[in-house]
Amino acid sequence: KQEVTQIPAALSVPEGENLVLNCSFTDSAIYNLQWFRQDPGKGLTSLLLIQSSQREQTSGRLNASLDKSSGRSTLYIAASQPGDSATYLCAVSPGYSTLTFGKGTMLLVSP
Amino acid sequence: NAGVTQTPKFQVLKTGQSMTLQCAQDMNHNSMYWYRQDPGMGLRLIYYSASEGTTDKGEVPNGYNVSRLNKREFSLRLESAAPSQTSVYFCASSGTLRTALKLQETQYFGPGTRLLVL
Repeated sequence: KQEVTQIPAALSVPEGENLVLNCSFTDSAIYNLQWFRQDPGKGLTSLLLIQSSQREQTSGRLNASLDKSSGRSTLYIAASQPGDSATYLCAVSPGYSTLTFGKGTMLLVSP
Repeated sequence: NAGVTQTPKFQVLKTGQSMTLQCAQDMNHNSMYWYRQDPGMGLRLIYYSASEGTTDKGEVPNGYNVSRLNKREFSLRLESAAPSQTSVYFCASSGTLRTALKLQETQYFGPGTRLLVL
């Protein structure tokens, strides 16, 4: 059974810092990996999707990397802002549809 | 485009009552999903429907039933609610983005239904 672990569970940083969120998964036979953002009381919003054949994806200040063989992914956030405060969730897909989620990293960026 | 919509937003039930959570998407997606989110447990898949007319169990299906009414709508039913079903329920749908070389599939989530079972 696939298990997804995210470290740290919570992170508090001052505005402007660069930061890294970590995700690891136990079964490397994945189709893709996604990073989501969840604001309090809201649904999830997809940030980045990395296919299993890719090494990284970038969107603005966000960069996600994937090392499938070691079962790891990182989400790098550059020049953090208070608006980045949210919970970040990592999820892997074994096939074309279903996702297995980690428990998330709760990020607080203070002004 | 409204995306994925869910009703109701909040619901309080007594143990043993039944209710149906409604979900609809207007993105012409084939696949739809129901998750529950609990503190310390993350999101867990209850049921999913890969296409109209098909449904499959996820990680935590006990106590729930689903209906894929048509391509747009996917409902989740609690026949006899229990306090252990107190949770936030999310519906999602997924579609395929065809880029130059690859097919990418991402899930779009609704705003959630907060359910309290007393």
